[in-house]
Amino acid sequence: AQSVTQLGSHVSVSEGALVLLRCNYSSSVPPYLFWYVQYPNQGLQLLLKYTTGATLVKGINGFEAEFKKSETSFHLTKPSAHMSDAAEYFCAVTQNSGNTPLVFGKGTRLSVIA
Amino acid sequence: SAVISQKPSRDICQRGTSLTIQCQVDSQVTMMFWYRQQPGQSLTLIATANQGSEATYESGFVIDKFPISRPNLTFSTLTVSNMSPEDSSIYLCSVAGDSPETQYFGPGTRLLVL
Repeated sequence: AQSVTQLGSHVSVSEGALVLLRCNYSSSVPPYLFWYVQYPNQGLQLLLKYTTGATLVKGINGFEAEFKKSETSFHLTKPSAHMSDAAEYFCAVTQNSGNTPLVFGKGTRLSVIA
Repeated sequence: SAVISQKPSRDICQRGTSLTIQCQVDSQVTMMFWYRQQPGQSLTLIATANQGSEATYESGFVIDKFPISRPNLTFSTLTVSNMSPEDSSIYLCSVAGDSPETQYFGPGTRLLVL
């Protein structure tokens, strides 16, 4: 079975500061890993994903994440937070075989302070 | 990519009634997934719907409460039966793309049960 743990249900950063959202996963098979963002009253938007190959993945809006197999982590970072980054962020995992659904973490709410 | 639409986008219902949510995809897909997102929570998989077979439900979800139809490769419905206020959630339809690294989400149906 697969699972995702997001450390910190709420993260608050100042505008211009580094954003770090933590995600650890558990998977008995090679995982595919995802970060989604959900703005208030909106649907899910894919930020980035790791499947195979380069472990540092760049996504939209200046976000990136690094897959670290030894640490079973897939933390999301952005060098400089913007007010528009305030949203709920979900880390998700699926396995790389067959049509399997995503397993989501509980989410982290990012607040950006002016 | 796949474009997914859901109807209705939102609804307010009385307890004891039922609501059927429709999910339409602009291309043929094998697997469709239904998720629930309760207020302030993450996404939880309700069931997997494969065309031509009975839906597979996750622990805690039963067919009598959440009957699903999958009449063809582009359409599915989820019914929330005998609703109670605890069913107030966002219900999302998702499809797997050509490979497990690709999943697309509908905009969601926001349900409020009074």
